[in-house]
This record gives sequence, C-alpha cells and structure tokens, in this order.
Amino acid sequence: DIVMTQSQKFMSTSVGDRVSITCKASQNVRTAVAWYQQKPGQSPKALIYLASNRHTGVPDRFTGSGSGTDFTLTINNVQSEDLADYFCLQHWNYPLTFGAGTKLELK
Amino acid sequence: DVQLVESGGGLVQPGGSRKLSCAASGFTFSNFGMHWVRQAPEKGLEWVAYISSGNSTIYYADTVKGRFTISRDNPKNTLFLQMTSLRSDDTAMYYCARSGSGFAYWGQGTLVTVSA
Repeated sequence: DIVMTQSQKFMSTSVGDRVSITCKASQNVRTAVAWYQQKPGQSPKALIYLASNRHTGVPDRFTGSGSGTDFTLTINNVQSEDLADYFCLQHWNYPLTFGAGTKLELK
Repeated sequence: DVQLVESGGGLVQPGGSRKLSCAASGFTFSNFGMHWVRQAPEKGLEWVAYISSGNSTIYYADTVKGRFTISRDNPKNTLFLQMTSLRSDDTAMYYCARSGSGFAYWGQGTLVTVSA
C-alpha cells in the first residue's frame, strides 16, 4: 500500500502569513494527489485535485504543487477561516490512502 | 447542485450488521464511480470501498474486506454499504463521495457506533 506521510501534525501560523503543508508518498503517484480541508463537525471540502488544480470556488490563495512523491499545499495570506485540518489523498493505486492530517492553528 | 445524503447510521452491537445508504442528486449518478470513506472519532480519513459506475469494478480496504459489501442502484440514484460482523473499531462517521477530480463531492456523513 502507498503510505502518504504528512510529517507535521500541527502547524502554527498568523493571519496574513504564508504556510506550506507537505505530503510525501512512499512511491511514485505521478500527480494523482488531492487536498482537502476539514473543519470541526463538517465533512471534508475538496480544495485541489491532480496535485495542482484548484476546485471551483476555492480561493486562489490555496495552491497545490508537486509530482512523483513530494507534494505541497501552500496557503498565501492565511485567513482566520483557513484554520482547519488538511488532508492529502493519493488516488493512483488502490487501496486509496490519506495522509494523517495537519492541523493549522493560530500562534 | 450535487447532493449526497447518507443515512442508516446508528448504534449497533458488536458482531451486528447495518446497511448504509447514500442518495445522490444533481448529477447523472450512473456516469460516476462512488466511494465510501470513514473517519473514526478524532482520527483521520480512511478510504473504505469503491464501486465503478456500472458495477463492474469494486475495491475494498483490507480492514473491511469480507465483511462489508458496496453496491448501487443506478435507477434509484442510491449507493449502499452493507456492513456485517461489526467491531468496535468500525465506529466512525461514514461518508459517501463521488469519484472524479479527486473526491470533489462528499455527503454530510452518517455516524455508526459499534458498542454493547
């Protein structure tokens, strides 16, 4: 199975900062990676698909990058509403696997 | 608008069974593969199962293989997850999600609690 490693369980940031959340795949997944945002009590919201494509309605301060094994979700000019959990997903091979998540918190 | 609405969750005894449903609307259900994803309390997301648009391809996570069955009724725009031999570690919020562009659309989830 492909393991998706989000090495940072928590990241502290301030409003207006730029933050990068990383995800590393245990093997080459090409660009078959998606990113999700989840707030308490809500279902996940899709942000990015195929590593770098923003879903409709997602603010352009969210940017995805990477291919192969290393992927990054960058949030520019962090807003208070961006404080949430973020998960990566590889959909190159079954079983599909998620990263363990990164919680974005205020400093 | 795309809508996915799960139902069927509740309290189940260990060893028991439960069938979840996901009612889809706002898109041509028969054109899309569908997934079940779960999330244990205060934990991350775990992919559970996938079924292709025409039922020809099905995959399961090893943790549920042999116990859970994914199915769909295309004329009724409904996805199902039959769960048997339930264990305490199956306790989770269960989400259905539409395949394509990663998982662009998710339901609100239905909570399954396995406890005596």
